[in-house]
Amino acid sequence: GNSVTQMEGPVTLSEEAFLTINCTYTATGYPSLFWYVQYPGEGLQLLLKATKADDKGSNKGFEATYRKETTSFHLEKGSVQVSDSAVYFCALSDLDNDMRFGAGTRLTVKP
Amino acid sequence: EAGVAQSPRYKIIEKRQSVAFWCNPISGHATLYWYQQILGQGPKLLIQFQNNGVVDDSQLPKDRFSAERLKGVDSTLKIQPAKLEDSAVYLCASSARQGLNEKLFFGSGTQLSVL
Repeated sequence: GNSVTQMEGPVTLSEEAFLTINCTYTATGYPSLFWYVQYPGEGLQLLLKATKADDKGSNKGFEATYRKETTSFHLEKGSVQVSDSAVYFCALSDLDNDMRFGAGTRLTVKP
Repeated sequence: EAGVAQSPRYKIIEKRQSVAFWCNPISGHATLYWYQQILGQGPKLLIQFQNNGVVDDSQLPKDRFSAERLKGVDSTLKIQPAKLEDSAVYLCASSARQGLNEKLFFGSGTQLSVL
C-alpha cells in the first residue's frame, strides 16, 4: 500500500541556517504530495503541495520538488526563522483521496 | 471563514468507559475525515465520509469505534469501550470535495487520555 517515510527528528537549527527534511514515498500510482505543518497549540495546516512529477511546491520560503525517479519530496528552506519551529508532516494522496502521513519531524529553531 | 470545530478539547476517561467526540466541518465541505494521531506518530485515517455516506472505514476498529454523519454536516466519533491504547489526539478534517488534490482543513483535535 501507499506509505510515506520522513527523517526522524528532532531537528535543532540556529536562525538563518539551511533546512532539509527528507521525505520518500511508496505508491502504486501517481499520487499528489504534500507538506503539512503543525505549529505549537494549533491544528495541521497545508504548507505546500505538488501534483505531478517535477512540480515544485513553494510557500513561506519553503520548497519541495516532486521527484518521481527517486520517489522523494524533500522539504527545504534557505534561511529558517524562530517562527518556523513546528512539526512538519509529509503526506501523499491517491485517487481515493486517502491521505497518508509520515511520522512527523519536529523542528526547533534557536535565536 | 470559520474553521473546522471540534469538541471537547481534552477528555480523560478510565478504560472500559465510553467517549464521544464531535466535529463541525467548514460550511459546504462535502468530505469529512477522522484521524487518530498517537504521540510521536503521524495522523492515521480512521474513516472518511462523502456527505453522509462512508467512503473508507478500512482502518476503523469497528468492534469499539463507530462514527456517523447523519445529515451530511456534523459528525460524531464514539469509542465504546475505551482501551489504554486509544490514548491519542483525534483530528477531524474536511475538504470541499473528494479528489486527488483537495486541500484538507484540520480542526485542533480532541486529546484523549485513557487511564
